[in-house]
Amino acid sequence: DAMVIQNPRYQVTQFGKPVTLSCSQTLNHNVMYWYQQKSSQAPKLLFHYYDKDFNNEADTPDNFQSRRPNTSFCFLDIRSPGLGDAAMYLCATSRDSRGRGNQPQHFGDGTRLSIL
Amino acid sequence: AQSVTQLGSHVSVSEGALVLLRCNYSSSVPPYLFWYVQYPNQGLQLLLKYTSAATLVKGINGFEAEFKKSETSFHLTKPSAHMSDAAEYFCAVSESSAGFQKLVFGTGTRLLVSP
Repeated sequence: DAMVIQNPRYQVTQFGKPVTLSCSQTLNHNVMYWYQQKSSQAPKLLFHYYDKDFNNEADTPDNFQSRRPNTSFCFLDIRSPGLGDAAMYLCATSRDSRGRGNQPQHFGDGTRLSIL
Repeated sequence: AQSVTQLGSHVSVSEGALVLLRCNYSSSVPPYLFWYVQYPNQGLQLLLKYTSAATLVKGINGFEAEFKKSETSFHLTKPSAHMSDAAEYFCAVSESSAGFQKLVFGTGTRLLVSP
């Protein structure tokens, strides 16, 4: 089945130690998104890629970066994780929504990040 | 800006009872609306989406939602709750621009189902 896969499912890192989360997709969607979801809250969009074009949300901290080396893969890099960055990180994909705003997003199962 | 409001952070029902999860939207243009479900430690799964083709939308797992423009609502219902329906439910409105779709989520409603 076509899907969005996130690895690892659980990640533990130390305060200030860089960490990378990965996402891959077999849907061949040209848009990929990264969300942060804290406990009992809605997902918060960090940024998205439209093909190779990177788009940051205005309130996404500089500590968060992303890379998309090809259509299938996208990475979330947290340069110096703080305790407040402990959360579930969700990757999602969608088709080009130009003129078709009802394209649903397809989510992976997330990576739960803990900071020691 | 578009927004959605979900009334009730928690809804409790008995197994077999009607499920009603409320969502009201605010949009200056015809909205694109979605309901997603999230089970513990999983991502979001699309339940259904409003496409303007029909005001009553049927989704997966027996859920449906009715778009009511006059009430700016898109409430989610299921005639008979099952234990497996216990999860977090998010209503979302889409802002589409330049090929990218930004989902604006409500705060979510946790559905609790008791035997």
